Amino acid sequence: AQSVTQLGSHVSVSEGALVLLRCNYSSSVPPYLFWYVQYPNQGLQLLLKYTSAATLVKGINGFEAEFKKSETSFHLTKPSAHMSDAAEYFCAVSGNTGFQKLVFGTGTRLLVSP
Amino acid sequence: EAGVAQSPRYKIIEKRQSVAFWCNPISGHATLYWYQQILGQGPKLLIQFQNNGVVDDSQLPKDRFSAERLKGVDSTLKIQPAKLEDSAVYLCASSLESGSLSEQFFGPGTRLTVL
Repeated sequence: AQSVTQLGSHVSVSEGALVLLRCNYSSSVPPYLFWYVQYPNQGLQLLLKYTSAATLVKGINGFEAEFKKSETSFHLTKPSAHMSDAAEYFCAVSGNTGFQKLVFGTGTRLLVSP
Repeated sequence: EAGVAQSPRYKIIEKRQSVAFWCNPISGHATLYWYQQILGQGPKLLIQFQNNGVVDDSQLPKDRFSAERLKGVDSTLKIQPAKLEDSAVYLCASSLESGSLSEQFFGPGTRLTVL
């Protein structure tokens, strides 16, 4: 079985500051890991995914995440926040074989102030 | 290319009434998913179709929820009768294939309020 825990339901940063959104996973099999973003009244959009190749994964809009097996973590970062980054971010995990469903965390709302 | 379409966008009903949601996936996508997203929680998979066959419906409350994907394209999700706890956003997603690495594309969702 797989699960993810997102620490912090809300994260506030100033424009231009570092963004760090935390995700820890639990998986009985080697995992695939994902970050999705959800803007108000829109569906989820894939930011990036880890698929057991490179441990540092780069995604869209300047985001990246690093897979750390020893810490069972997959934290999302962006060096400099922009007002347009304000949204809800979801971490998700699946197994790496067959019809493995996505299991989502509870989400972290990112607030960006001027 | 056109994205995943869902209708209606909003629905308000009273408990014990019935409701249906419609989803049109991206053209050519074989796999279709229905998720339930309760306020403050992440999306939870209700049912996954591969073409018109069910792959996973382990979390679908089958006493009141039903879904079909006739002809392997459009899909409908029905709730009958609705309960207060069914208030949520219902998201439809589609992917080219069924594997974990096949990116899922999400529609805007249907927000259901049960009074």
